[in-house]
Amino acid sequence: DQQVKQNSPSLSVQEGRISILNCDYTNSMFDYFLWYKKYPAEGPTFLISISSIKDKNEDGRFTVFLNKSAKHLSLHIVPSQPGDSAVYFCAASGNQFYFGTGTSLTVIP
Amino acid sequence: DAGVIQSPRHEVTEMGQEVTLRCKPISGHNSLFWYRQTMMRGLELLIYFNNNVPIDDSGMPEDRFSAKMPNASFSTLKIQPSEPRDSAVYFCASSSGRANYGYTFGSGTRLTVV
Repeated sequence: DQQVKQNSPSLSVQEGRISILNCDYTNSMFDYFLWYKKYPAEGPTFLISISSIKDKNEDGRFTVFLNKSAKHLSLHIVPSQPGDSAVYFCAASGNQFYFGTGTSLTVIP
Repeated sequence: DAGVIQSPRHEVTEMGQEVTLRCKPISGHNSLFWYRQTMMRGLELLIYFNNNVPIDDSGMPEDRFSAKMPNASFSTLKIQPSEPRDSAVYFCASSSGRANYGYTFGSGTRLTVV
């Protein structure tokens, strides 16, 4: 059973607008969350993380929000750029990392 | 550092044949992970090693799958016999410690079993 879910397989956004990618998890014991970005024919690369003791972490255009009561995290990209077009995986840490199924983001120039 | 190195990048094989995927982790990393990416399940952990010892292989789908890590710089994932449903992208990743630092992934091996 999927412990980490990304219910939107794809998302299209205009360049310059905000991209919001969502992720839900089931295990309240998860204490660390990450987002990975994956381009075609490459492995996933680490993007941004957040500890369960925080509710927000920001790194340039990327911000991750964590809502522990809802077991929900989101990644905001502002402003979105064509180079952000990729598949984004969220992951939650227990004794290992559990990954979601990914959301394919397309930023339209 | 060259990162996590996987070979081959692409593998096409006939059903029933043995397939071996290879991985060289980042030097100094003490944990190694094998993942399989599919559309339905995303990135699934197959097995992970800590200090060359298999810790959790509960994700290995069947006895046809086996993995070894004979030393700190090399690991293999073997499928024997291969089946068409094994077709996927297989990633190897390594890590230096607690998950806080995330994993470094290789570029993957795209396996096609016909």
